[in-house]
Order: sequence, then structure tokens, then C-alpha cells
Amino acid sequence: DADVTQTPRNRITKTGKRIMLECSQTKGHDRMYWYRQDPGLGLQLIYYSFDVKDINKGEISDGYSVSRQAQAKFSLSLESAIPNQTALYFCATSDGVETQYFGPGTRLLVL
Amino acid sequence: GNSVTQMEGPVTLSEEAFLTINCTYTATGYPSLFWYVQYPGEGLQLLLKATKADDKGSNKGFEATYRKETTSFHLEKGSVQVSDSAVYFCALAPGGSNYKLTFGKGTLLTVNP
Repeated sequence: DADVTQTPRNRITKTGKRIMLECSQTKGHDRMYWYRQDPGLGLQLIYYSFDVKDINKGEISDGYSVSRQAQAKFSLSLESAIPNQTALYFCATSDGVETQYFGPGTRLLVL
Repeated sequence: GNSVTQMEGPVTLSEEAFLTINCTYTATGYPSLFWYVQYPGEGLQLLLKATKADDKGSNKGFEATYRKETTSFHLEKGSVQVSDSAVYFCALAPGGSNYKLTFGKGTLLTVNP
């Protein structure tokens, strides 16, 4: 089984809808991250969490919120989706050293 | 702030050709440097890393040397294979306890038989 899983893998939604992307990990890592990938722009950090009670904004947090329900779970929410949030979203984990382990990604389309 | 600049793609090579993907960075202090690879339909995975000047990271035939004097971390492979087709990302992590990664924009490599 994969160490970092993301659900759903693909999602189509409409403008104004609230959606949640979920991430689970079995690596036992304290640190979890949400990134957004747009073609030609690399990855941009949305939010990160160094433990259950420590959540921080990244470079592009506007329009997003997160919840760290447990050490193993970190969810990303779009409160009111807009078309320019169409992107590929990745969750990642790390154990306090620098290497990050990525999930397979969620492809989101906002109509 | 920190930034990573890598050569724009796409890069198209024939099998067994030599590969270089250039990466330069801007950072204060002594960052660690990484190359991540993203195969089609998958998440990113670490390819190699170097944590201090003059270190060479290597994996799967790929190499990169941390050059502080030129602020560079170029990725090289002597003989590419079709299975190396992927997007390659250069990234840095600042020194100290801040492990947030800053990524380059990625370089798409296609290797033809």
C-alpha cells in the first residue's frame, strides 16, 4: 500500500461549491504539506503543519483552509471554489529532515 | 527570498544521449539542494540531494554537484533511457530547521527510442 494517499484522485466541481481534499499517511511523520502544481509554475506551498497543533500558511493560502485531524490526516478545503483553483494538488510528508514524500495528487477542475 | 531557476523545457533526447538540466539558486545561508522527479501520472519522488558545498548527490545514474561558487546544482546523466522520461524539479531547503522546499518550475524530459 502507498505511504501517502490522497482522495479523491480526480474531482470536477462548480464555481462556488465547497470541496475537501483528503490526505492520509502511514509513514508516522509529524510534518505534512499541501502544494499546488500549475503547468510551467512548479509547485507552490499552500499550507503546512509541523504537528497536530501547529498549522502555518504557505505562499498561496488565500481561498484555502486546512484541518489536521490527526498525525496521519491533513485535509485541504476550498470554501468557495473558483476556476483559477483548477490545478493538480499534492500532499507531502516529512519526518523532520529535509526529504519530503509525496502523494499521487488530486486533479481538480472548477467549472 | 529564496528562488530556484532551472532550464526551460521541453528537452527531447534520443536513447543513450547525454543529459544536462541546469539549475541555479538564490538563497541566504547554506541551503540543501534536491532534484525530484515526477513520472507521468505520479507524485514527485526524491531523485538525489546534497546538503553542503562540493557534495555530489547520485542515484540511478544521475548526478549533481553542489557548487556554492556558481550557486548551481546541475543534473547530469551519461546515457539516458526511455524510462527516464519525466518532469524533473530542482528544489532547495533553507539551512537550519526550516524545511519548506522552494521548487523550480520543472523541466519535461522526453527520451525517444
